[in-house]
Amino acid sequence: AQTVTQSQPEMSVQEAETVTLSCTYDTSESDYYLFWYKQPPSRQMILVIRQEAYKQQNATENRFSVNFQKAAKSFSLKISDSQLGDAAMYFCAEGFSSNTGKLIFGQGTTLQVKP
Amino acid sequence: EPEVTQTPSHQVTQMGQEVILRCVPISNHLYFYWYRQILGQKVEFLVSFYNNEISEKSEIFDDQFSVERPDGSNFTLKIRSTKLEDSAMYFCASSVDTDTQYFGPGTRLTVL
Repeated sequence: AQTVTQSQPEMSVQEAETVTLSCTYDTSESDYYLFWYKQPPSRQMILVIRQEAYKQQNATENRFSVNFQKAAKSFSLKISDSQLGDAAMYFCAEGFSSNTGKLIFGQGTTLQVKP
Repeated sequence: EPEVTQTPSHQVTQMGQEVILRCVPISNHLYFYWYRQILGQKVEFLVSFYNNEISEKSEIFDDQFSVERPDGSNFTLKIRSTKLEDSAMYFCASSVDTDTQYFGPGTRLTVL
């Protein structure tokens, strides 16, 4: 079965500092996508960043970037210049290019940002 | 910017009652999904829907669950006879293709 693992239940970072959230996945598929979603206390799921498995270049979105290591099946999220509004639960997810498109989520990492 | 909407935001029901959760996906999207999140746990896939039929469903999505796209805009999840363990946040999502999914704000279902 395909699994996504986030080994850090909780992380904390000082405001303006950098933090990295870890994610590993286990798939035999060759064509897939990886995502990070943010879930603030409102519980809305907000897309943070997306990576296509066939692309070697790491995705970046403003202060958010990923370190995608395909051979190691690792997909970490780096948040630079952390802001108070970054405090949330972060979920790593894997999606597939099959016709179903379902996402498999990790357990989540709660990020605390300290002022 | 277009977004996925869900109603109601919170639904309280008695065990054994039927509930219908409603979603309006983004208008040009073709793939629709339901996920659920029990409080404090990870988000779990329930069902995907494309071309007016279910394309995949999880083990959670048993005979008590059904989905429907009754018109060109709404996508519904029905739970026929709710159980206490159905209490969760239910998320609807949609996508143009089997790529990036955009989520609605969720419906919190409480079964008493």
